[in-house]
Amino acid sequence: DGGITQSPKYLFRKEGQNVTLSCEQNLNHDAMYWYRQDPGQGLRLIYYSQIVNDFQKGDIAEGYSVSREKKESFPLTVTSAQKNPTAFYLCASTEGGRTYNEQFFGPGTRLTVL
Amino acid sequence: AQTVTQSQPEMSVQEAETVTLSCTYDTSESDYYLFWYKQPPSRQMILVIRQEAYKQQNATENRFSVNFQKAAKSFSLKISDSQLGDAAMYFCAYRPPAGANSKLTFGKGITLSVRP
Repeated sequence: DGGITQSPKYLFRKEGQNVTLSCEQNLNHDAMYWYRQDPGQGLRLIYYSQIVNDFQKGDIAEGYSVSREKKESFPLTVTSAQKNPTAFYLCASTEGGRTYNEQFFGPGTRLTVL
Repeated sequence: AQTVTQSQPEMSVQEAETVTLSCTYDTSESDYYLFWYKQPPSRQMILVIRQEAYKQQNATENRFSVNFQKAAKSFSLKISDSQLGDAAMYFCAYRPPAGANSKLTFGKGITLSVRP
């Protein structure tokens, strides 16, 4: 079945450590996105990538980094520079083109900083 | 910058009744797309319905329909014959017309509870 997988589902990190969240899709989608979800804040865009080896900052990119070496993979690294990393992280993807494409979402990763 | 506002943080509906969730947005574009996403307790985001701004006809998907008022920049979601499985957070989202490069802007969401 086609879809988006995120791993792990729950992740714990000590302060000062970097951690990488995985996002893989087998939908052959060109564009991929990372969102952060906090209570009462909705979804806020961290980074997005329209094509392999290219990505752009979203609204809250500080303290995060990404790579897009393969079409199907878009890992997110939460660095020690991110001051409040505890949140729920969602990965999404969408097809290319000019149609009104919906974004498909993965199941999410809950990151907790201890 | 586009903004999406969902002013009601919580709503409740009796099972089998109808409920309307409100959403307003701000944009200077004339062509764009609007979406309603559902996030149940599992936290998996699911597309409920979408609307193209150039279409005057309101979108409908089974028990879900929208009331799209372009001039008022309003995009409300109506859920008919509410079911217990409709209990979730609902997010309104806006997308400008620039292909896959477009970013979605989400509202803060509304938590819908369904009373049996």
